Amino acid sequence: AQSVAQPEDQVNVAEGNPLTVKCTYSVSGNPYLFWYVQYPNRGLQFLLKYITGDNLVKGSYGFEAEFNKSQTSFHLKKPSALVSDSALYFCAVRDDTGRRALTFGSGTRLQVQP
Amino acid sequence: EPEVTQTPSHQVTQMGQEVILRCVPISNHLYFYWYRQILGQKVEFLVSFYNNEISEKSEIFDDQFSVERPDGSNFTLKIRSTKLEDSAMYFCASALRSGDTGELFFGEGSRLTVL
Repeated sequence: AQSVAQPEDQVNVAEGNPLTVKCTYSVSGNPYLFWYVQYPNRGLQFLLKYITGDNLVKGSYGFEAEFNKSQTSFHLKKPSALVSDSALYFCAVRDDTGRRALTFGSGTRLQVQP
Repeated sequence: EPEVTQTPSHQVTQMGQEVILRCVPISNHLYFYWYRQILGQKVEFLVSFYNNEISEKSEIFDDQFSVERPDGSNFTLKIRSTKLEDSAMYFCASALRSGDTGELFFGEGSRLTVL
């Protein structure tokens, strides 16, 4: 079975400060990990993914995420937050056994204050 | 930029009625998905579709649900007899490659309200 936990319902950060949105996962095999963002009244948009290779992956809009196998985490980060980053962020996972469809977390609302 | 389009954007229906939600995936994509999001809750997988057949479905996708790709462009989700708990935002997604390594492109969603 595969699952994702996003422990924070909301993260508040001031514009210009670094941000972190947390994600931990549970899979049977090797994880494939993803971050998606959802703006109001829009569908989910792909940000970045980890399949294999470097633990630090870079994605759209200056976001990056670090895969940590020992902590089973895949936290989303950005060095300097923008007000326009305010949105709902979803972590997703699948593994190389069992279900092939993505399993999404419950989402974390990021609020960047000017 | 190519996008996934969904219709209707909002549908209100009476319990027990049939509903069809329509999606036009990106034209060269091969893998198609339906997900749903009940208000304030997580995005849940319903079904994936490849090569004109269901490749995977979740426990939510029971006999009341069906999907088809009738004309090579549209991808539809049918709910035969809606229940109150079917009220949700339904998202269609498509991918060029299998969604485990390729990114999914989502439509803006169809909000279904069952009264």
